[in-house]
Amino acid sequence: GDSVTQMEGPVTLSEEAFLTINCTYTATGYPSLFWYVQYPGEGLQLLLKATKADDKGSNKGFEATYRKETTSFHLEKGSVQVSDSAVYFCALSFLTGGYNKLIFGAGTRLAVHP
Amino acid sequence: GAVVSQHPSRVICKSGTSVKIECRSLDFQATTMFWYRQFPKQSLMLMATSNEGSKATYEQGVEKDKFLINHASLTLSTLTVTSAHPEDSSFYICSARDRQGWAYEQYFGPGTRLTVT
Repeated sequence: GDSVTQMEGPVTLSEEAFLTINCTYTATGYPSLFWYVQYPGEGLQLLLKATKADDKGSNKGFEATYRKETTSFHLEKGSVQVSDSAVYFCALSFLTGGYNKLIFGAGTRLAVHP
Repeated sequence: GAVVSQHPSRVICKSGTSVKIECRSLDFQATTMFWYRQFPKQSLMLMATSNEGSKATYEQGVEKDKFLINHASLTLSTLTVTSAHPEDSSFYICSARDRQGWAYEQYFGPGTRLTVT
């Protein structure tokens, strides 16, 4: 079945370090891909998305490129801040019955220290 | 931005009792709401999809008689865990789709931590 695999955390970085969180997927067909972020005590928020191969999603300095050949959607940021500390979830979806059914990875906790 | 609330944020109940969790879309109308369950250090697992005014659609392996879902209005869906047992202890998260928004966009609540003793 369809699934998402992302790197285990926690990932601990110093402020201004480069971030990569790996995400690969298994799916029949061509899903849309997403990164969600969950800050402490809050609900998941959509961070960025890509709906077709070679699309690059970007937001708040984060970016990820939909790579069909490697079935990957790795999240990157050039210079992390303490405020980026959160749990990041990679997800895929297919439109089903007019809405988006999401399949999530396990989440990767990021801790950024000053 | 669109806000989804859940109530309560934490609940402790005794084994054999039932507990109701509410999910509300505060500033938009949600034709579709989703209920997820999250185990420690694991991903969110979709339990069921509820559409306003109709029966919920449950994912394979989810007991519909145990997890009762009601989506009575465009802003409220409830999940009732009936005859709860310790193995039902988990983090329950809802999300909602704005009827006027993109099909892919879901707005998530902050979650409800259920502990069954």
